[in-house]
Amino acid sequence: EDQVTQSPEALRLQEGESSSLNCSYTVSGLRGLFWYRQDPGKGPEFLFTLYSAGEEKEKERLKATLTKKESFLHITAPKPEDSATYLCAVRGEMDSSYKLIFGSGTRLLVRP
Amino acid sequence: DTGVSQDPRHKITKRGQNVTFRCDPISEHNRLYWYRQTLGQGPEFLTYFQNEAQLEKSRLLSDRFSAERPKGSFSTLEIQRTEQGDSAMYLCASSSGTLYGYTFGSGTRLTVV
Repeated sequence: EDQVTQSPEALRLQEGESSSLNCSYTVSGLRGLFWYRQDPGKGPEFLFTLYSAGEEKEKERLKATLTKKESFLHITAPKPEDSATYLCAVRGEMDSSYKLIFGSGTRLLVRP
Repeated sequence: DTGVSQDPRHKITKRGQNVTFRCDPISEHNRLYWYRQTLGQGPEFLTYFQNEAQLEKSRLLSDRFSAERPKGSFSTLEIQRTEQGDSAMYLCASSSGTLYGYTFGSGTRLTVV
């Protein structure tokens, strides 16, 4: 069964203090690993898709990387506006519906 | 606005009542998904439509839940005889069927009292 585990559950950073969020996954043939940002009371907002080990993508202060077993979301010099829940999800090659299997997320709080 | 729209944003209902939510996907997207999210958890898959056909339903979707997508446009999710355990955020997402991620709506927050 496809599974996603995210750590830590919650992370508190000072503004400018860089860190990384982890997403470990088990999937029968990866057809994409997805990172989303979710603000309170809103739907998830798409950030990145990674397809193969070694791939990296960047957007502003965020950089996502992928290995065969896990993905990292690196946050460089975060600002208070980066505070949100970050969700990781996978899609397996056996799944014709293209549904995503999500982890429980990491709640990030960046203090000024 | 060409995003995914959901209505209502919030719904409070008494246990045992029926509720219906609506989702308007991005017009060119032929795939539509419903997910449920409880506090502190990630979204959980409920059901999937390709055009008007409902092609997959999760085991989470009990007989009290029904979803439709007439003419492959908007979709509705109905919950009959609501229970307190149904309280959650119900998210709709649409996709063009490629390998890219979905676009989610803002969700409908259901509270059953």
